[in-house]
Amino acid sequence: QSALTQPPSASGSPGQSVTISCTGSNNDVGGYNYVSWYQQHPGKAPKLMIYEVTKRPSGVPDRFSGSKSGDTASLTVSGLQAEDEADYYCSSYADGQVFVFGTGTQVTVL
Amino acid sequence: EVQLVESGGGSVQPGGSLRLSCAASGFTLSNSWMSWVRQAPGKGLEWVANMQRDGSEKYLNSVEGRFTVSRDSAKSSFYLQMNSLRAEDTAVYYCARRAYTAFHIWGQGTMVTVS
Repeated sequence: QSALTQPPSASGSPGQSVTISCTGSNNDVGGYNYVSWYQQHPGKAPKLMIYEVTKRPSGVPDRFSGSKSGDTASLTVSGLQAEDEADYYCSSYADGQVFVFGTGTQVTVL
Repeated sequence: EVQLVESGGGSVQPGGSLRLSCAASGFTLSNSWMSWVRQAPGKGLEWVANMQRDGSEKYLNSVEGRFTVSRDSAKSSFYLQMNSLRAEDTAVYYCARRAYTAFHIWGQGTMVTVS
C-alpha cells in the first residue's frame, strides 16, 4: 500500500496545457484500468474529475482528459483557467481490493 | 440530491476511541460501495477503509484491527469506529460513495485530533 508518485508541482499560463503524471506498479496502476483523478481546492472536499482512466463524470469540462501507459497514468488540463488552480490527486484500485492515492500535485496558473 | 454529511469528529487522547458517522441522502446506502478517506494536516489523501455492497470490508494496513466500518440502512448512515487512536491518525476524515472503481461523491469531512 505505497502511495503513487506524482510531481509535487506543475504550472502553466492561462490557455496553455499542463500534464500531471502518476506512477505506480503492476499491482495497481499497471494492473487495472481503474485510475481516477481528483481536484481539491484549499479547505474543500476532493472532487472527481476522471475515472476509469479516461471517463469524465457529468459536469466536468472536456478540458480535462486522462490516459495511461504501463504503470503510469496522466491527467492533462487543456486551456488552463484560473479556477483550475488546485491540488490534484490520482488514485488506483489495487491488489487486495484496496485503493491507493498519489502524493498530490499542486497546479499553479501563472 | 445525493449528499453525504459526516459528524463525530473531535479531540481525543492517544489510546482513546471515536465513532464517526456519515449521513447519506439521495441514494440507497445498502446498494452502495462506501469508503472512508483521510487527510492529515497539510498532507495528501489516504484511503482508510471500504465497505462493499455485500457488506464485506477492507482496511488500510495501519488501521487493520483498530478501525471498523459498519452501516445502518434504516438510518441511512455509514460509520467508522476508531479504537486505540494514535497521533498519526490525526486527520480530516471524509466518507465517500464509490461507483466501484472511484470515489464519486464526498462529504465535507470531519476533523479528528489525537493529542
